[in-house]
Amino acid sequence: QQQVKQSPQSLIVQKGGISIINCAYENTAFDYFPWYQQFPGKGPALLIAIRPDVSEKKEGRFTISFNKSAKQFSLHIMDSQPGDSATYFCAAGPDNYGQNFVFGPGTRLSVLP
Amino acid sequence: DGGITQSPKYLFRKEGQNVTLSCEQNLNHDAMYWYRQDPGQGLRLIYYSQIVNDFQKGDIAEGYSVSREKKESFPLTVTSAQKNPTAFYLCASSMRRGGPYEQYFGPGTRLTVT
Repeated sequence: QQQVKQSPQSLIVQKGGISIINCAYENTAFDYFPWYQQFPGKGPALLIAIRPDVSEKKEGRFTISFNKSAKQFSLHIMDSQPGDSATYFCAAGPDNYGQNFVFGPGTRLSVLP
Repeated sequence: DGGITQSPKYLFRKEGQNVTLSCEQNLNHDAMYWYRQDPGQGLRLIYYSQIVNDFQKGDIAEGYSVSREKKESFPLTVTSAQKNPTAFYLCASSMRRGGPYEQYFGPGTRLTVT
């Protein structure tokens, strides 16, 4: 079974700080890497995604960094806010239909006011 | 509004009873998925369907059954054979042609079996 490893399991950051969550995958056939944000009692919501043809993608305060050779990617949340407190899941999969994404175990982020 | 709806939000059942969770989408997505999430845990795939009248087992299919008679609907039945049915159940859907293929999730159904 292909795995996606995610760290840390939990993260506490002060308001205004940078939150960094790391993921690593095994399957070199994976070529699409979305991140999801989940608030308690809600379904995960797509946050940002990247393909391996770029090393970085930025949307507002959220940035994905991608290292294809190391098979690693990370989510950076700049100027972290208390409203960012949620569980974040990384995922990896092939960018075509018929295959399924593999999800990381999640990181619980708490941003202190 | 386009999206995925799951009903009910909370569901309570007695042990030994089968229960069916509803999932409907109006995103015109071909593929639909069911996941189970336990407290503090990640997502585990139960069943998925790429097309109407066809579905495949995921990683933890035992004790569950599904049907896909319509493109918009993918109900999940939790049978009495599922040993630990209490969990948060998430339905998702994704495109099949044209991409991108990331999955969009519904709001979830929290099932409690006593």
